[in-house]
Amino acid sequence: GQNIDQPTEMTATEGAIVQINCTYQTSGFNGLFWYQQHAGEAPTFLSYNVLDGLEEKGRFSSFLSRSKGYSYLLLKELQMKDSASYLCAYNSNYQLIWGAGTKLIIKP
Amino acid sequence: DAGVIQSPRHEVTEMGQEVTLRCKPISGHNSLFWYRQTMMRGLELLIYFNNNVPIDDSGMPEDRFSAKMPNASFSTLKIQPSEPRDSAVYFCASSPSTGDGNTIYFGEGSWLTVV
Repeated sequence: GQNIDQPTEMTATEGAIVQINCTYQTSGFNGLFWYQQHAGEAPTFLSYNVLDGLEEKGRFSSFLSRSKGYSYLLLKELQMKDSASYLCAYNSNYQLIWGAGTKLIIKP
Repeated sequence: DAGVIQSPRHEVTEMGQEVTLRCKPISGHNSLFWYRQTMMRGLELLIYFNNNVPIDDSGMPEDRFSAKMPNASFSTLKIQPSEPRDSAVYFCASSPSTGDGNTIYFGEGSWLTVV
């Protein structure tokens, strides 16, 4: 079957670091995506991992462990504008299988 | 470059009425997806087209939903008759190909309310 899980909601403080975890179970895996979605807007692409390890893009980094079925998104130096939902999705054949999203609340 | 363009952005309609949502994918993209997003169910894939051909419509809720892609630059999602439970955000998205790792680009969504 196909299963992907991430926490429903997280809270962090402006300027801090937060890690959003994503676990998945699938027999067919071809990479993992992270998308950001602000309230009332469409999801936008953040990162894609196909190999194990850490991919860094400025304040955002994404990690993948295929053997553990695990990924995380690391956000550093949090800003108020980072308040959004973060969706992980794994690539299985022609489509993405989406997590329910993690709502990240940033407090001053 | 223009992104995925959807219309209407917002629609409020009465139960039983027909609803047509429209999408123009990014030029050159040959994969098109229709998604529905609700608080309860998250992001759900309704149907996927590749080169204008429907490949997988298993996510279409029922016969009231239909989708077409008459050419590479246009697709529609139709609900007839609409019901209050169809209220959701409907996203159209496109991707360069079916190859692994191709990023999906979303339109801004059509916010549907059926009363």
